Amino acid sequence: DVKVTQSSRYLVKRTGEKVFLECVQDMDHENMFWYRQDPGLGLRLIYFSYDVKMKEKGDIPEGYSVSREKKERFSLILESASTNQTSMYLCASSLLGGPLYEQYFGPGTRLTVT
Amino acid sequence: TQLLEQSPQFLSIQEGENLTVYCNSSSVFSSLQWYRQEPGEGPVLLVTVVTGGEVKKLKRLTFQFGDARKDSSLHITAAQPGDTGLYLCAGDIERSGNTGKLIFGQGTTLQVKP
Repeated sequence: DVKVTQSSRYLVKRTGEKVFLECVQDMDHENMFWYRQDPGLGLRLIYFSYDVKMKEKGDIPEGYSVSREKKERFSLILESASTNQTSMYLCASSLLGGPLYEQYFGPGTRLTVT
Repeated sequence: TQLLEQSPQFLSIQEGENLTVYCNSSSVFSSLQWYRQEPGEGPVLLVTVVTGGEVKKLKRLTFQFGDARKDSSLHITAAQPGDTGLYLCAGDIERSGNTGKLIFGQGTTLQVKP
């Protein structure tokens, strides 16, 4: 069974704090993704990585950074959390080669910034 | 802008009714996936369609890929309360560089009342 896990299901942080969200996959997938999901806005891609130490900006990278030191682990970092970063954060992984770019998601982290 | 438009956005029906969700784009997709997401959880892959005109069945769910590979539909027969959730379509644009990035629709929220 494919497995993507995220470090926390729920997280409450204060404005200005540095926040780390971790994602681990056990499928040996090359691609890993971080999305945020907000009502009415759908899934928006923050960053993705296609290899260790490689990263590319998605549609909304501002205020976020990422780290991928090992193939199975992809971390999302909020350098200084703000209230507008309150959201559901979803991690996903997929194979690098097509033709089926099926993404497998973790359970999500509901982050609240107060 | 590369978009996947889903319709309807919301659907509330009685148990036993049939329904169809549509996913449309002006772009051609190499493949298209359908996901279901339950509240507080990550999306779960239901099916991938690859060939134009392809039809796949998953119990009471029927998925169709348009002949031109620009659109798809999900039909549920005799809906049950367990079908309640957010349905997302997603696809990778043909000739997008094979990055594995997916375009997601905004989602259809389905509520099936007993």
